[in-house]
Amino acid sequence: DTAVSQTPKYLVTQMGNDKSIKCEQNLGHDTMYWYKQDSKKFLKIMFSYNNKELIINETVPNRFSPKSPDKAHLNLHINSLELGDSAVYFCASSPQAGEGNEKLFFGSGTQLSVL
Amino acid sequence: QKEVEQNSGPLSVPEGAIASLNCTYSDRGSQSFFWYRQYSGKSPELIMFIYSNGDKEDGRFTAQLNKASQYVSLLIRDSQPSDSATYLCAFSWYGNNRLAFGKGNQVVVIP
Repeated sequence: DTAVSQTPKYLVTQMGNDKSIKCEQNLGHDTMYWYKQDSKKFLKIMFSYNNKELIINETVPNRFSPKSPDKAHLNLHINSLELGDSAVYFCASSPQAGEGNEKLFFGSGTQLSVL
Repeated sequence: QKEVEQNSGPLSVPEGAIASLNCTYSDRGSQSFFWYRQYSGKSPELIMFIYSNGDKEDGRFTAQLNKASQYVSLLIRDSQPSDSATYLCAFSWYGNNRLAFGKGNQVVVIP
C-alpha cells in the first residue's frame, strides 16, 4: 500500500501549457506539503496545508495554485509553464504541524520537464 | 532566514568504514533535527531524528546533536554499498510548520 502517492511520475510539456499534479495520502495525516527539488537537489517548501487550510505559502509565483479538497488530497496546478519550472515536485505529509517535530513522508515525486 | 549547511562534495568511504556527515544550522530556536536518505531518482526517506543534545543510535546509524555549537552529525558504521545515497539534513522549530533542508551530501561506499 502506497502511503503518499502522486501522479503523474513524469510530465513533459511545452512552455505556456497548464498542468496539474495530484497527491493523495492514506496515512491519516493532517498536514500535506508540496516541495520543489531543483537540479542541484535542493529541497524547498512551496506550500503546506493543515486539514484543508493553507498554512504556508512561500514565495512562489501565483501561476502555482494548490488545492486541497480534503485532508487526504493536495493537488498542484501550474499555469503558463516556464522553462524554470522544470524540477522534481514532491508531495509529502506529516502527522501534525507547528509543534516543531514534523516528520515528513514523501511521495515518489513528479519529474516535470518544460520544453 | 533559516539556513542549513552541509559538507560540500561527495564523501567516498571504503566498505566497512565509518561515514561521518556534518550539518550546521543558523537558528538557535531550532528544536528538531532530521536526517533523510535519498537514493538517486527516488524520494527522501527519514532515517533518523533527534531532539535532545547527545547521541541517538539506531542500528548502524548514530545521530549526534550539539545545540550549543549548532551542529548535528550522522555516523554510518560498517558502511555498505547500499548506503550510497545523498543524505539530507533538516530541522524544524515550534510553530514553523515546515522542515528546512540542507543541500545534501552524497555518500559513495566503495566495495
